[in-house]
Amino acid sequence: DADVTQTPRNRITKTGKRIMLECSQTKGHDRMYWYRQDPGLGLRLIYYSFDVKDINKGEISDGYSVSRQAQAKFSLSLESAIPNQTALYFCATSEGQLYQPQHFGDGTRLSIL
Amino acid sequence: QKEVEQDPGPLSVPEGAIVSLNCTYSNSAFQYFMWYRQYSRKGPELLMYTYSSGNKEDGRFTAQVDKSSKYISLFIRDSQPSDSATYLCAMGSGNTPLVFGKGTRLSVIA
Repeated sequence: DADVTQTPRNRITKTGKRIMLECSQTKGHDRMYWYRQDPGLGLRLIYYSFDVKDINKGEISDGYSVSRQAQAKFSLSLESAIPNQTALYFCATSEGQLYQPQHFGDGTRLSIL
Repeated sequence: QKEVEQDPGPLSVPEGAIVSLNCTYSNSAFQYFMWYRQYSRKGPELLMYTYSSGNKEDGRFTAQVDKSSKYISLFIRDSQPSDSATYLCAMGSGNTPLVFGKGTRLSVIA
């Protein structure tokens, strides 16, 4: 089983819909992250969390919200999806300090029509 | 100037060639340097992790950091078609999340 599991792997939805992407991990790491990846723009950080009581905005948090339900679970929500949120979304985890390597899931491909 | 610059490629080489992938950066506080490999439809996976300046070797891969020039490199010896992927550099300083390069797409042709 994968250490960092993202669901769903693919999602097609319509503008204005609320969407939740979920991430769970079995690595026991405290820190969890959400990124989006777009061609030519690379990975951009949306939110990150140190633990269940700590949520931090990343580079591009507008239009997104997150919930850290437990140490092992971190979900990303798009309250009202818009087409320019079409992207590949990755969840990642790390232990210890922020400079430690991150471990990624295999992503969710999200298309908003 | 972007914090981390990485040539997007694509880079196409024949099988067996030595590949050199590079990133430059502007933040002198970076001390931790990583290379990730990303296959199509998969998440990035950690290849190399180094601290400060110097070289680190792991099989066919060598990571090199030159902090004085703010320049890091990944060398792949005897490249194989299975090395075809996108390679991302990443850097950290301890106070903020890692900063990633945009990735270089590599194709190794048999």
